[in-house]
Amino acid sequence: DAGVTQSPTHLIKTRGQQVTLRCSPISGHKSVSWYQQVLGQGPQFIFQYYEKEERGRGNFPDRFSARQFPNYSSELNVNALLLGDSALYLCASSLGLTGGLNYGYTFGSGTRLTVV
Amino acid sequence: DQQVKQNSPSLSVQEGRISILNCDYTNSMFDYFLWYKKYPAEGPTFLISISSIKDKNEDGRFTVFLNKSAKHLSLHIVPSQPGDSAVYFCAASVPGYGQNFVFGPGTRLSVLP
Repeated sequence: DAGVTQSPTHLIKTRGQQVTLRCSPISGHKSVSWYQQVLGQGPQFIFQYYEKEERGRGNFPDRFSARQFPNYSSELNVNALLLGDSALYLCASSLGLTGGLNYGYTFGSGTRLTVV
Repeated sequence: DQQVKQNSPSLSVQEGRISILNCDYTNSMFDYFLWYKKYPAEGPTFLISISSIKDKNEDGRFTVFLNKSAKHLSLHIVPSQPGDSAVYFCAASVPGYGQNFVFGPGTRLSVLP
């Protein structure tokens, strides 16, 4: 069974550009969450989507947006990139709205974004 | 303001001994807690969780203890193995209409053969 897949694995962008990151959840999972992990820190919550609706938003500027498609895959968009947006972007999926006590979320390997 | 703290950036333990990783939190509304393990170039992997209504949960070599009055939890790994060497994140679940986690900064565990 395929796990959570993210693409691309790495990319380099210039300040001011826009980027789109993609995530395919585990088959049957309806919830997708996005996290940003800056070097030396823990992941920080950006968004959760469930059944194509936004169910949670972290403390990120409006330059960050996301959506979920009918097949439950998701895209994270970041506009007007700043150097500080350089990070590992993680996608996590779960079957339902909550991961459950003995299950948690399943994370992908992430997209490493470098802004120069 | 960090709501979840892991004050030890790194920990080294001899193979076969006990590893104890600590986590402190400030928000008494957190409803449950999880530990994740992360290897380089991989996403975090779920390890074990505990509800805020319990004080202990055990799964094989891994045990998590929760002290609500102290707002402190710990992960015990017994016996430690070299394959346990990784970064360990403590995470707390925020109650609400969805689910999101607040992660600590992580502790790098090195198990020495």
